[in-house]
Amino acid sequence: GAGVSQSPSNKVTEKGKDVELRCDPISGHTALYWYRQSLGQGLEFLIYFQGNSAPDKSGLPSDRFSAERTGGSVSTLTIQRTQQEDSAVYLCASSFTGHQPQHFGDGTRLSIL
Amino acid sequence: AQTVTQSQPEMSVQEAETVTLSCTYDTSESDYYLFWYKQPPSRQMILVIRQEAYKQQNATENRFSVNFQKAAKSFSLKISDSQLGDAAMYFCAYRANFGNEKLTFGTGTRLTIIP
Repeated sequence: GAGVSQSPSNKVTEKGKDVELRCDPISGHTALYWYRQSLGQGLEFLIYFQGNSAPDKSGLPSDRFSAERTGGSVSTLTIQRTQQEDSAVYLCASSFTGHQPQHFGDGTRLSIL
Repeated sequence: AQTVTQSQPEMSVQEAETVTLSCTYDTSESDYYLFWYKQPPSRQMILVIRQEAYKQQNATENRFSVNFQKAAKSFSLKISDSQLGDAAMYFCAYRANFGNEKLTFGTGTRLTIIP
């Protein structure tokens, strides 16, 4: 597609459930980033992929968070046993290489009841 | 660690006037990029302008320009001839020019355009 695509756009789930958030980057972009935007913490880096490898996972807040990228394209961010503090907008960005500007998707708004 | 500070949570400007949004940052690196991103209610972060630290000339994109003061670690955004469509959250961001190049964001400034 023309831009970074994220799905779902909105997700409401009960505390304790697992959720999967999807990011489809711009075709040909090798670098992919996940960020979280919440009221209390602002915009935080979560994880970075170069191809299918994740050389920097330092922003993942706990072991309930994991992410993978397959075929150097689509990435999935998984949150297990969701907690209310996980409520946020999860933004995905991609760039042609790590040195190029990042292009963002519209994000997934996650609400934990 | 790098930090980015935006000291103006909210700003407003009359349509067609000029407004300046402030940003300061802290880093020990000499090679880096600075960005201004705009986030309208649609949530998508839109790149407005970027500045390479090694370039002395201030970046300009149509009505948007920056005042980059490297020694002072200051990076302000000037919006000229403000338009209703400029209303949004504006985020200043830093990125080192090595490693994984993740973005470090400021807390944002909400800009309101008064018709």
